[in-house]
Amino acid sequence: AQSVTQLGSHVSVSEGALVLLRCNYSSSVPPYLFWYVQYPNQGLQLLLKYTTGATLVKGINGFEAEFKKSETSFHLTKPSAHMSDAAEYFCAVSDRGRSGGSNYKLTFGKGTLLTVNP
Amino acid sequence: KAGVTQTPRYLIKTRGQQVTLSCSPISGHRSVSWYQQTPGQGLQFLFEYFSETQRNKGNFPGRFSGRQFSNSRSEMNVSTLELGDSALYLCASSFGQGTTTQYFGPGTRLTVL
Repeated sequence: AQSVTQLGSHVSVSEGALVLLRCNYSSSVPPYLFWYVQYPNQGLQLLLKYTTGATLVKGINGFEAEFKKSETSFHLTKPSAHMSDAAEYFCAVSDRGRSGGSNYKLTFGKGTLLTVNP
Repeated sequence: KAGVTQTPRYLIKTRGQQVTLSCSPISGHRSVSWYQQTPGQGLQFLFEYFSETQRNKGNFPGRFSGRQFSNSRSEMNVSTLELGDSALYLCASSFGQGTTTQYFGPGTRLTVL
């Protein structure tokens, strides 16, 4: 069974500082990997995803993540935090699917609440 | 292109009642997945429908059910509501083949009293 661990349920940074949100996964084969962001009273918005190819993935709002197979990690970074980045961030994985089919079941981490201090 | 829409946005029910939530996917998407989000358990997969067929199911009791219509719209039903069913229910849509990216709606906030 797949699992996702997000280290740190709450991360606090100063505006302009580096943002680093950690995500490690457990899976028998490298899964598809995603980062979603959730603002208060809203649904989830896709930030970026890794399916295949280049291991450094760029997403929206200046975020990027690097897939490291040897470390089973997919950490999310942003060079300079902005006040508008304050939200909850979720790392998720899904299977690559059985032969002839696809698996759309996302397994999520517990989330990391990012606060940005002025 | 319009996003995923969910109705209603907020619901208040009492224990023992049943509830039906609705989800309209992005135009052209044929896969609809449902997730439950609670502070204690986080985001948990309920089920996924593709072309009117349930393709995947999570570990929830039979009180939770769903269906998908020919226009890809989906409903989920919860019968005999319990206090623990209070949650944000999120619907996500996808093409359902090839790409696995899911796009989420704003959710329905269910409160069970």
